[in-house]
Amino acid sequence: QVQLQESGPGLVKPSQTLSLTCTVSGGSISSGGYYWSWIRQHPGKGLEWIGYIHYSGSTYYNPSLKSRVTISVDTSKNQFSLKLSSVTAADTAVYYCARALVTGRIFDFWGQGTLVTVSS
Amino acid sequence: DIQMTQSPSSVSASVGDRVTITCRASQDISSWLAWYQQKPGKAPKFLIYAASSLQSGVPSRFSGSGSGTDFTLTISSLQPADFATYYCQQSNSFPLTFGGGTKVEFK
Repeated sequence: QVQLQESGPGLVKPSQTLSLTCTVSGGSISSGGYYWSWIRQHPGKGLEWIGYIHYSGSTYYNPSLKSRVTISVDTSKNQFSLKLSSVTAADTAVYYCARALVTGRIFDFWGQGTLVTVSS
Repeated sequence: DIQMTQSPSSVSASVGDRVTITCRASQDISSWLAWYQQKPGKAPKFLIYAASSLQSGVPSRFSGSGSGTDFTLTISSLQPADFATYYCQQSNSFPLTFGGGTKVEFK
């Protein structure tokens, strides 16, 4: 069974860049049928799709965040990463990585999530 | 963006009750709708895809229906494990969007 695990700093200063990595186990990130995704959830709020990447390098971003987001993939490490620049307190959230099916664009496996707080 | 509106935002119910949650899309999304269950402090769990297809391993008391703009998630006989927040998600077009959630609480 596929497992995903987020890692990265839990505290980021305003105006800096948030960087998270998701490590995939139990399956290859190079499997063509999936997009590797980032989703966030503000405290006590709903879910917001950030974007995703195919192992080939194709990316799709939420336009609301597109100017600040970069998602990349490292197939040799079976990892993918999120960078969100110029963060503010509004970027404080639990960040999830997840696998999305290319067919259907639905999220079938999720990481446990990691809380990132933006504060000086 | 397609807006997904869930109702009610919360529902109080007892074990054994039938619970129905509604999700409305701001435009036609055909059957490109999924449902997720989230428990406090946990990641969402994928339940239903294509509006009505149950993910493998999900109990048959869960069912989904609808197409176009109006969708429902029904729990036929609520069990203790079902007290959670439920989210719908449209995958018809980018950006992918989620409903605001419906919390199923113990009456």
